[in-house]
Amino acid sequence: DTEVTQTPKHLVMGMTNKKSLKCEQHMGHRAMYWYKQKAKKPPELMFVYSYEKLSINESVPSRFSPECPNSSLLNLHLHALQPEDSALYLCASSQDRGVEKLFFGSGTQLSVL
Amino acid sequence: AQSVTQLDSQVPVFEEAPVELRCNYSSSVSVYLFWYVQYPNQGLQLLLKYLSGSTLVKGINGFEAEFNKSQTSFHLRKPSVHISDTAEYFCAVSGGSGGSNYKLTFGKGTLLTVNP
Repeated sequence: DTEVTQTPKHLVMGMTNKKSLKCEQHMGHRAMYWYKQKAKKPPELMFVYSYEKLSINESVPSRFSPECPNSSLLNLHLHALQPEDSALYLCASSQDRGVEKLFFGSGTQLSVL
Repeated sequence: AQSVTQLDSQVPVFEEAPVELRCNYSSSVSVYLFWYVQYPNQGLQLLLKYLSGSTLVKGINGFEAEFNKSQTSFHLRKPSVHISDTAEYFCAVSGGSGGSNYKLTFGKGTLLTVNP
């Protein structure tokens, strides 16, 4: 199994809603990442988890809250988002905290109304 | 810090023609270089990477790239493209061995459109 699975594939939410994005991998990888990709732009790193601990936060607003409950799962909790947060959210994983071999999921397309 | 410049935002070509997508990088330390492809509404797939060793790197789907340290370039080439190669292509850089290699910095992307 060489897949990173993200759910849901599409999500529409209001600015007062609370929702969560989920990411799962069963490759035994110990580093997991969240990237944000706005339309027609490159992906930008948000968070890095290494061995289930948050190791990098790229100055992301607190309305985005990551969580790594175990080595296979990564969540991104969303609360009080703004319309400009609408984007494709990509999860990725790697064996260790290095990007030499990074596997990406297909993403969650988020629309904030 | 590293940065990447993709010189062409769009490249239209005819099927079976050769193509080159250009990428230049800037870094004061050793780097790792990557090319990713993104099909519509999908995530990123690694095409190839340069970590060290031979400067000519071969990847999937018939693509190859050459690392040129003196020109700080990592151009992607394919001798004959197919309609199915139509996609967005991203060049990316990270810190090399001994550097901060946890973060990929992407270029702005090149949209390759292959026409029949």
